[in-house]
Amino acid sequence: NAGVMQNPRHLVRRRGQEARLRCSPMKGHSHVYWYRQLPEEGLKFMVYLQKENIIDESGMPKERFSAEFPKEGPSILRIQQVVRGDSAAYFCASSREVEEKLFFGSGTQLSVL
Amino acid sequence: GENVEQHPSTLSVQEGDSAVIKCTYSDSASNYFPWYKQELGKRPQLIIDIRSNVGEKKDQRIAVTLNKTAKHFSLHITETQPEDSAVYFCAARNQAGTALIFGKGTTLSVSS
Repeated sequence: NAGVMQNPRHLVRRRGQEARLRCSPMKGHSHVYWYRQLPEEGLKFMVYLQKENIIDESGMPKERFSAEFPKEGPSILRIQQVVRGDSAAYFCASSREVEEKLFFGSGTQLSVL
Repeated sequence: GENVEQHPSTLSVQEGDSAVIKCTYSDSASNYFPWYKQELGKRPQLIIDIRSNVGEKKDQRIAVTLNKTAKHFSLHITETQPEDSAVYFCAARNQAGTALIFGKGTTLSVSS
């Protein structure tokens, strides 16, 4: 089992560009969660998705951020018109069922210049 | 929504000593409390978890206790080793049961 796969590991964008972060859950897992981690801070919940559905997006900023988990392919976290404050590590996690353990990917470090 | 407070933010111990990290949560409906260890530049990894129908759980040098009445739970590491040095996060599942809400982390340093 390859575990939760995230790519890219590092992403550099200039202000105003778009960032796309990808997450492939563990085999057999249909629940995906995105978290943001700033230096010296904890993991802040952003969004929880199942295949083709957003279940809980209570942690997502109201503008510029969106997420999807299509029937085929990885989950995508999309940030439009990035600003310096978006620089952070973005972690994806997956679980087999919503009540089960979360397993994290290695994260994507986004740097906005 | 659920809120998780974690203390202390940093903890330094000598090799062989015990380390205790404490967390409190706000939502009495929360029923799942995992602990994650994150080494520098790495992914958070689950080290132990406890559900609300259990008061204590142990796995070798690591144990977790839960007090549902007081809404707090603790991580205990005995006989600490330098490789235990990392950031430890507690978490509680939110009221909707849809996500884990994390504390801000404890940086544990074990010196030999």
